[in-house]
Amino acid sequence: DAEITQSPRHKITETGRQVTLACHQTWNHNNMFWYRQDLGHGLRLIHYSYGVQDTNKGEVSDGYSVSRSNTEDLPLTLESAASSQTSVYFCASSNSGRYNEQFFGPGTRLTVL
Amino acid sequence: DQQVKQNSPSLSVQEGRISILNCDYTNSMFDYFLWYKKYPAEGPTFLISISSIKDKNEDGRFTVFLNKSAKHLSLHIVPSQPGDSAVYFCAASSDSNYQLIWGAGTKLIIKP
Repeated sequence: DAEITQSPRHKITETGRQVTLACHQTWNHNNMFWYRQDLGHGLRLIHYSYGVQDTNKGEVSDGYSVSRSNTEDLPLTLESAASSQTSVYFCASSNSGRYNEQFFGPGTRLTVL
Repeated sequence: DQQVKQNSPSLSVQEGRISILNCDYTNSMFDYFLWYKKYPAEGPTFLISISSIKDKNEDGRFTVFLNKSAKHLSLHIVPSQPGDSAVYFCAASSDSNYQLIWGAGTKLIIKP
């Protein structure tokens, strides 16, 4: 069955370190998204990609970067982790059509000390 | 400026009764509205959707109503069951791009 996976599921890191969160989908979807979820804010878009070599900034992109070298993967990098980036991170993918329905991974809980 | 709003952070409903979750939006250009359900430690999962050209969509115990003039939609769950306890997110999208615009979520608690 097609799926979307995230790794690691939990990560503790220190302020200033570089961290990369992995996202891998086997849906063969063109569109991929990274969100963070914080209490009271719902899901906020960090970065998104509509295809290989395409990346775009979302509403909370400062301090984050992504790259899309193939259809399946969209890794999220925190260049220099800050305590404000402690959050739960979700990756999602979609194809055009079907109401723009997105399929989500299980999430990564990141703690920056 | 929040384009999609869920004004109730939480809602408590007796098992077997109707749960009504509300969502308001400001952008009249939205073409689709979706509801997602999220359990703790899991990603959101799609529940039900509605096109802006319709005013009702039903799927089993779940019905979504859309009132375009009021820019308001609601999700009805009848009857409510303990497994419905979760956070529900309302989202909106348009044909012009693939993004979803999300509400802040409502935590539904079903009491036995």
